[in-house]
Amino acid sequence: ETGVTQSPTHLIKTRGQQVTLRCSSQSGHNTVSWYQQALGQGPQFIFQYYREEENGRGNFPPRFSGLQFPNYSSELNVNALELDDSALYLCASSLEGAQNIQYFGAGTRLSVL
Amino acid sequence: KNEVEQSPQNLTAQEGEFITINCSYSVGISALHWLQQHPGGGIVSLFMLSSGKKKHGRLIATINIQEKHSSLHITASHPRDSAVYICAVLIKAAGNKLTFGGGTRVLVKP
Repeated sequence: ETGVTQSPTHLIKTRGQQVTLRCSSQSGHNTVSWYQQALGQGPQFIFQYYREEENGRGNFPPRFSGLQFPNYSSELNVNALELDDSALYLCASSLEGAQNIQYFGAGTRLSVL
Repeated sequence: KNEVEQSPQNLTAQEGEFITINCSYSVGISALHWLQQHPGGGIVSLFMLSSGKKKHGRLIATINIQEKHSSLHITASHPRDSAVYICAVLIKAAGNKLTFGGGTRVLVKP
């Protein structure tokens, strides 16, 4: 049990739609990172938030956006969904001062049809 | 070339066999994680290493900073060890963003 909860666990959307994925972290975990894992591949870094501000971004287009809230929850939003967005989306949080230890959620599996 | 390379990509072993998974990286790192991912997706952190060796039950992880190489060993493997094992590094120049290897899919047959 990592204390990081993601919702929903599974989601089916159609091309062009928008989706919001949620992550709830432990109290005090003020850094959250989001990753996309396509089938059969390792996760790829999307972006990181620290104290509600974006703190680094991977090679993903602007239609991938995020929010982090004061209650240690966060969201990943994806607009104009494409078929290639089908993947497992993982969030990982870490505690101030121990940011090299990341706690992963179980992920949200998104299927875009 | 990926910054983190794992080998092998796939591995099949008989129950009881000793398993080794390798990870090589090409950049300066502050830490290396070994992660386990079961079918269904959830990732569990097995080890975080910055030097030397760690052991937890039947799992042993080693890292050689000079050679930029880490290994994960599973002793007396069991079918429940079947999973994808992922090596991920924290790159010094990139703050706390993990860069992942492609994973090693391990199947342990009874």
